Amino acid sequence: GQQVMQIPQYQHVQEGEDFTTYCNSSTTLSNIQWYKQRPGGHPVFLIQLVKSGEVKKQKRLTFQFGEAKKNSSLHITATQTTDVGTYFCANQGGKLIFGQGTELSVKP
Amino acid sequence: DVKVTQSSRYLVKRTGEKVFLECVQDMDHENMFWYRQDPGLGLRLIYFSYDVKMKEKGDIPEGYSVSREKKERFSLILESASTNQTSMYLCASRLLGGYGYTFGSGTRLTVV
Repeated sequence: GQQVMQIPQYQHVQEGEDFTTYCNSSTTLSNIQWYKQRPGGHPVFLIQLVKSGEVKKQKRLTFQFGEAKKNSSLHITATQTTDVGTYFCANQGGKLIFGQGTELSVKP
Repeated sequence: DVKVTQSSRYLVKRTGEKVFLECVQDMDHENMFWYRQDPGLGLRLIYFSYDVKMKEKGDIPEGYSVSREKKERFSLILESASTNQTSMYLCASRLLGGYGYTFGSGTRLTVV
């Protein structure tokens, strides 16, 4: 089946620094969804990207879908301690296939 | 808000036991899914169901089966539990044609 690769696996930042996680595939992605999982919690849906080159923003979070629909990114501006957790991308093509996730820790 | 409820938060079972993990959603969603989550591997799809009585294999169905007799309930069955099935199991549901999946809180299963 289609594989979705996500990097980095871990990211440690100082509060106030920016953070980016990348999602890549060797084949064209259908729709990309992003989820956040807080420590000890379950994944929570953030957003879906559908169109090539699409950019969506949610406050300090910016989501981007590549022009060729083979990659996506999530960028957080000026991280806060509340951003701590694991961020997953997932390809929604009939069934939802997840990347391995990026675990973000934020040092106050 | 949609609620997806998993019957147990923590479960300890012995090798060879038959294990039932239950999941119930309260928003009339057609689609339901079972994932397992392991460190470094993300979430892997075990089985899913698009509607009552329907089931489809995911990416790692071996050693598992499912049952969907009612729309709101999707059960995951481990026919003969093994230690490599120790994991966090997450159930999710989605409205047909909808966007995001709603996840339950998960069942952490330990097989000893």
